[in-house]
Amino acid sequence: DAKTTQPNSMESNEEEPVHLPCNHSTISGTDYIHWYRQLPSQGPEYVIHGLTSNVNNRMASLAIAEDRKSSTLILHRATLRDAAVYYCIHWGGNYGQNFVFGPGTRLSVLP
Amino acid sequence: DSGVTQTPKHLITATGQRVTLRCSPRSGDLSVYWYQQSLDQGLQFLIHYYNGEERAKGNILERFSAQQFPDLHSELNLSSLELGDSALYFCASSPWTDSNYGYTFGSGTRLTVV
Repeated sequence: DAKTTQPNSMESNEEEPVHLPCNHSTISGTDYIHWYRQLPSQGPEYVIHGLTSNVNNRMASLAIAEDRKSSTLILHRATLRDAAVYYCIHWGGNYGQNFVFGPGTRLSVLP
Repeated sequence: DSGVTQTPKHLITATGQRVTLRCSPRSGDLSVYWYQQSLDQGLQFLIHYYNGEERAKGNILERFSAQQFPDLHSELNLSSLELGDSALYFCASSPWTDSNYGYTFGSGTRLTVV
């Protein structure tokens, strides 16, 4: 199973940037790094994904280390609606593989 | 609306009973995945179907079974229900198994066994 390591919880003030780290030392060369978040009583939702280069979208930025063994999800200005559990996953899409969710990081945003 | 539809949203049933959860994947997606989320276990992978064929099994109990139909919708059957089966059950879909494509999750079915 593809394992990742994330802090159990983090706290941020509203409108400040948040950097959520993830270690994925067992990542394979073709595995993409995916980030999802889950709000209470909802299904996980896609945030961002990437392979080697840093990625930006309207929700967040993804910074991937040069050796790809770690990545950081960056929320540029946290809002109360960003309070959720954030999951980092690496996945090769090969036969028999699937997303393996760890405990994730519970992000609290303080007003 | 993610495009993945799960029904019913809530289900309350008694121990020993059998229930069927339904999932309609996003239009064009060939893969369907089922996950179970209970309070103390997090998101646990159950089973994956791709275009009607079972592709992978996780920690799915023998009392549970699933199938994917020709129209690509999927059903998860849970039988001989126990109190411990109470959980949120999520379905997700993806176009195929290329890792550049992520999963799209439905809003889940909350199962309560009493």
